[in-house]
Amino acid sequence: QVQLVQSGAEVKKPGASVKVSCKASGYTFTSYYMHWVRQAPGQGLEWMGIINPSGGSTNYAQKFQGRVTMTRDTSTTTVYMELSSLRSEDTAVYYCAREHESTTVTTGFDYWGQGTLVTVSS
Amino acid sequence: QSVLTQPPSVSGAPGQRVTISCTGSSSNIGAGYDVHWYQQLPGTAPKLLIYANSNRPSGVPDRFSGSKSGTSASLAITGLQAEDEADYYCQSYDSSLSGSYVFGTGTKVTVL
Repeated sequence: QVQLVQSGAEVKKPGASVKVSCKASGYTFTSYYMHWVRQAPGQGLEWMGIINPSGGSTNYAQKFQGRVTMTRDTSTTTVYMELSSLRSEDTAVYYCAREHESTTVTTGFDYWGQGTLVTVSS
Repeated sequence: QSVLTQPPSVSGAPGQRVTISCTGSSSNIGAGYDVHWYQQLPGTAPKLLIYANSNRPSGVPDRFSGSKSGTSASLAITGLQAEDEADYYCQSYDSSLSGSYVFGTGTKVTVL
């Protein structure tokens, strides 16, 4: 069965960076795009970016360009999201989410990780 | 700042029908991009409820249905049940934001 298992909660100081991992299993890793979505406490969902696990190409939301880096390791079927220059407003639960259909995009997100809480506090 | 607008809340008694609207524009829903819907129970990750405007993934009850017209989409829940109390989000793609996926503002469904 498809599973996305994320790394544990993090506490960071303002200005630091955080790297969240998402290990995929139960399907062909390189066939499905992966997204990152975040949710601040009590707020809605916010799309951060997408990575193609096959070639590693990425597309980031304008809001995060210059601060976010998404990578993947095909040997461990893991995708990573690193966010730098953290500020208190980055406190949120970060989710990885798989594209619904293989080798294409804009088909919805059918499997989600359990979420990783990142707290930014001095 | 979401570009898809949903009502903050809707409510209904058990067994009733409720609908949630999702209003976009000519650069997202109106441009022909598909709309997807998610259900988020408290403290859990979102779950795909409807994809490509009106399709249900396996395991999703047929009480949930979706539609799209023009620059808007709707999610309907018939035969409302207590377990349907959750937050619901629409999602689409927007071509005006350097190619960006966008979510709705979210709607809290309360079962009275």
